Amino acid sequence: EPEVTQTPSHQVTQMGQEVILRCVPISNHLYFYWYRQILGQKVEFLVSFYNNEISEKSEIFDDQFSVERPDGSNFTLKIRSTKLEDSAMYFCASRGDLLGTRAFFGQGTRLTVV
Amino acid sequence: SQQGEEDPQALSIQEGENATMNCSYKTSINNLQWYRQNSGRGLVHLILIRSNEREKHSGRLRVTLDTSKKSSSLLITASRAADTASYFCATDGVQGAQKLVFGQGTRLTINP
Repeated sequence: EPEVTQTPSHQVTQMGQEVILRCVPISNHLYFYWYRQILGQKVEFLVSFYNNEISEKSEIFDDQFSVERPDGSNFTLKIRSTKLEDSAMYFCASRGDLLGTRAFFGQGTRLTVV
Repeated sequence: SQQGEEDPQALSIQEGENATMNCSYKTSINNLQWYRQNSGRGLVHLILIRSNEREKHSGRLRVTLDTSKKSSSLLITASRAADTASYFCATDGVQGAQKLVFGQGTRLTINP
């Protein structure tokens, strides 16, 4: 089965620092997503990305966050000036189309802000 | 919102028994998906059921969908210790970029 790859698997950063979480979606997919899961809670949608632009974002996705697809293969989530409450598991997902197809999720990056 | 909500929040059964988890949602959907998550790990896709389907099987999994009641159920038959995990339903809306909206999940424990 095709895979979405996320790196790193775990990142520890100091409060106030910037982090970049990386994802390699499935190669022929067109729709890309970032989700977040705070420990013990549900998975929350952050942002969707299509045709090189954000198509939808949640209230969580404020000016602290940005996404980019710099080279046609990688899909990154940048978190500026991290806060303690940004500590969570971040999942990248991709899908080929919107016609009743499943999303493929990466294994996640566990971000710990200290 | 189209938020899915699962019940029960936690379920503990003996190995070999069947486990049933329910999910309710609020708005029209394109499809509904079920995922499993072992503690602190990634999301494993289990099954997708489209809005025009009523029942779907995959191995020991059986999923039903009732769009009139906006609800779905996941049945795991002949449970095994390895089925211990959290199970989430996720609804896929009919508009926009079809973000998945996840429920709170059911924490399933299979006792040997």
